[in-house]
Amino acid sequence: DAKTTQPPSMDCAEGRAANLPCNHSTISGNEYVYWYRQIHSQGPQYIIHGLKNNETNEMASLIITEDRKSSTLILPHATLRDTAVYYCIVPNDYKLSFGAGTTVTVRA
Amino acid sequence: SQTIHQWPATLVQPVGSPLSLECTVEGTSNPNLYWYRQAAGRGLQLLFYSVGIGQISSEVPQNLSASRPQDRQFILSSKKLLLSDSGFYLCAWSQSSGANVLTFGAGSRLTVL
Repeated sequence: DAKTTQPPSMDCAEGRAANLPCNHSTISGNEYVYWYRQIHSQGPQYIIHGLKNNETNEMASLIITEDRKSSTLILPHATLRDTAVYYCIVPNDYKLSFGAGTTVTVRA
Repeated sequence: SQTIHQWPATLVQPVGSPLSLECTVEGTSNPNLYWYRQAAGRGLQLLFYSVGIGQISSEVPQNLSASRPQDRQFILSSKKLLLSDSGFYLCAWSQSSGANVLTFGAGSRLTVL
C-alpha cells in the first residue's frame, strides 16, 4: 500500500490560505488520495478526495501533481476553527490507515 | 440520511474487567465497519474492520475482539482489560462500494485503572 509523508506541523494566519503538502510517491494508478482532519477530542472528519484531477468542495481544494506523486490540500481562508490535525491517506482496499498527519495551528 | 451511534461515551473500568463497546449505523445497508483506537497524544490505530456480517479482519494482535452480529451493528469486546487499553475508541462506517469515505461516531473514552 502506498505510504504518505506529511510535515509534522505548520502555522497559518487567520484569513490566509493554508497549503498542506503530502508526498505519496509509491501511489499506483488507480489509488485515490483522501484527506481527513481531526479536531481535538473528536472523530476525524472527511474533507475531500481525488484521483488525478484537481477537486474542490465547500471545505477545501485538492491539487494533485501530474505524476500523482504528491498533492496539496488548500484551505482557502483559514479560520481559528480549522485548527486540527490533517491526514493525507491512500487507502489499501478497505483499510484507511491514519499516520501522524500535520498539526495545523491557525493564529489570529 | 445515515447516522452512526456509539456508546457508552465515557467509561472507567478496573484492570481485568470485561469491556463491551457498541456501534450501530442507521440509514444504509451492508456498510463497511471499523474500530479505531487513539491513545492519549497518539495517532489513530486501526483495530478491526468488517465488510459483512460475521467477517472480521484484525489489524493488531491484542486482547480485544470484534463481532458483527447484525448488518449494521459492530461490537468491540475484551474479556480482561489492561492498563494499555485506555484510549479513545472510534467506530466508523463507509459505503461498501464507491468512494471510501469514512464517517466516524462520537467516540468512547475508556480509562482503565
